Amino acid sequence: KNEVEQSPQNLTAQEGEFITINCSYSVGISALHWLQQHPGGGIVSLFMLSSGKKKHGRLIATINIQEKHSSLHITASHPRDSAVYICAVRGETSGSRLTFGEGTQLTVNP
Amino acid sequence: DAGVTQSPTHLIKTRGQQVTLRCSPKSGHDTVSWYQQALGQGPQFIFQYYEEEERQRGNFPDRFSGHQFPNYSSELNVNALLLGDSALYLCASSLPRLRGTPLHFGNGTRLTVT
Repeated sequence: KNEVEQSPQNLTAQEGEFITINCSYSVGISALHWLQQHPGGGIVSLFMLSSGKKKHGRLIATINIQEKHSSLHITASHPRDSAVYICAVRGETSGSRLTFGEGTQLTVNP
Repeated sequence: DAGVTQSPTHLIKTRGQQVTLRCSPKSGHDTVSWYQQALGQGPQFIFQYYEEEERQRGNFPDRFSGHQFPNYSSELNVNALLLGDSALYLCASSLPRLRGTPLHFGNGTRLTVT
């Protein structure tokens, strides 16, 4: 079992829909990252969380430390949101190295 | 302000050859981490460099080695290439001691081993 599990693996939505991507992890963490990867390969950091909730534009990320679970929400989805979304955790005892989930491929159709 | 830059963007090598990939961190960042991402999978941590020394290492063989220069740029070297080394190699830079600063990733080097 991977230390970081994401669901779903693939998600197809219609423009305007509300989207949720989930991440569960099995180790104690000092931080959790949500990242976006476009087809070219480059990765953009969306959020870094250690507790609570963060919002940036149409993106919202939440984390429940007790349940070892985080969610990424996209409101009013748009085709340009199509990308792979990756959850990554920094373990309490792993310094600054990250352990990544396998990613969620999101496709938003017009 | 230039972000993380990696070179080359694409590379094709033959089994048994050696390869060197390069990374320049974001201005002001002093820590560089390297990741390997196989097709359809999440990135895997290779190692991290800080103050010109390897500080942490993932589960990769000694064929994978690195270096960090005084200007904080870094190289990843892979010897005796195997077909399974074909992947996207990502570099990320950070300033870990400043809490709350996000990671910055380069666009990666896509290595194909034939």
